[in-house]
Parts: sequence; structure tokens; C-alpha cells
Amino acid sequence: NAGVTQTPKFQVLKTGQSMTLQCAQDMNHNSMYWYRQDPGMGLRLIYYSASEGTTDKGEVPNGYNVSRLNKREFSLRLESAAPSQTSVYFCASSRQGGDTEAFFGQGTRLTVV
Amino acid sequence: GESVGLHLPTLSVQEGDNSIINCAYSNSASDYFIWYKQESGKGPQFIIDIRSNMDKRQGQRVTVLLNKTVKHLSLQIAATQPGDSAVYFCAENRAAGNKLTFGGGTRVLVKP
Repeated sequence: NAGVTQTPKFQVLKTGQSMTLQCAQDMNHNSMYWYRQDPGMGLRLIYYSASEGTTDKGEVPNGYNVSRLNKREFSLRLESAAPSQTSVYFCASSRQGGDTEAFFGQGTRLTVV
Repeated sequence: GESVGLHLPTLSVQEGDNSIINCAYSNSASDYFIWYKQESGKGPQFIIDIRSNMDKRQGQRVTVLLNKTVKHLSLQIAATQPGDSAVYFCAENRAAGNKLTFGGGTRVLVKP
């Protein structure tokens, strides 16, 4: 039972490079989320998808784009990476948008130099 | 803006003692308040939630208290164990909002 799977686990980018973080869940959840976590801080919502075919901005969407490819997959794209985007990125899913229990992946540690 | 925050960044607890983690919130419109645990190198994990019309809810070794008068939330862990060492986050959710908003976290260190 894999739950929420994120790839890659670690990535180093140069300023201006682009990349896509992949996320897949096997729990048949409707809602998916992308958070970032900076050192010593809580999680801030970047984007979320309440259901397949919909995406909405969260608290810190600037510099990111997302795609809800299908019910299982929700990707996060950095078009032109900046050092301020150095962070740990977590993908999560929940059965539906109002649920209090979200299931998180292991995270992607991204460093932009 | 509306936010969920924490009083103490680090809590050091003797193994076997009870732990109390506090959280202040400002959004009175929240439907639920939730506690998550994050172990080193892992994603957050749901512990317990409490609906906004309740004052207390108990789980296995954990109790969450909600004081709406002073907008305060706490998590009590009974008989703290080494496996309880982690960062604990409070979060709030509005069913209509489709998303969780997290506070800044408290690190709990359990001393043997």
C-alpha cells in the first residue's frame, strides 16, 4: 500500500532551470495538494485540486504551475527556479476537500543554487 | 491575515511525563482544528481532530482541548514515549474551503 508517492526525493537546480515534481496517490482520493515547508516553519499551501479537472491557488502560488493529470496524479512545475524556492515540497491527498485527514508523501528536498 | 500559530517552538519532556502543546488561532470561522505529527524526514501524519462546536476530544494517549473564548487549542500526550519525539503542527480547516492551513510547529524532545 504505497499511499502518496513523490518523485524525485532530492533535486539540485541552477537558477533559471525548470523542473516538474511528480505526485501520485493510490487511495482513490478526490483532492490533492502541494505544500512547501521552509526550515523551522510550517507548511504553506501552493496549489490544490479539489477534484479531477480543477485546480486552485493556495497561499504561495507565484512561480509555480500545476497539472491534475488524472485522478491519481498531480504535478508541480517550476518554470524558472529561483533560490527563494529552495524548500521541501510535500504532496498530499484527501478523500474529499473538506476532510481533516490528509495523507502526505515523503517530500522532495529541492535546492536552487 | 487569518492564521494558526504556536506559542512554544521546542518542548523538552521526560519520558513518562505528560506533554502539553499549545496553539493559538485567529480564524473563528474554522470548522475543525487538527493536530499533525511530523517525524524527521517524513511527511506530516494526522493525529486527531476536533470539531469547532466541541471542547474536548480524546484519542489513544492524546487529548485535544479547544477553548473558543480565547481561541486556544492544545494537545496533551499522556505518558510521553521516545516515539513521540517529533514536530507537532496544529491546523485548521473549513469544509467549504477545501484545504488545510497549518501553524508553525512545536518540536517535542523526549528525554530518556
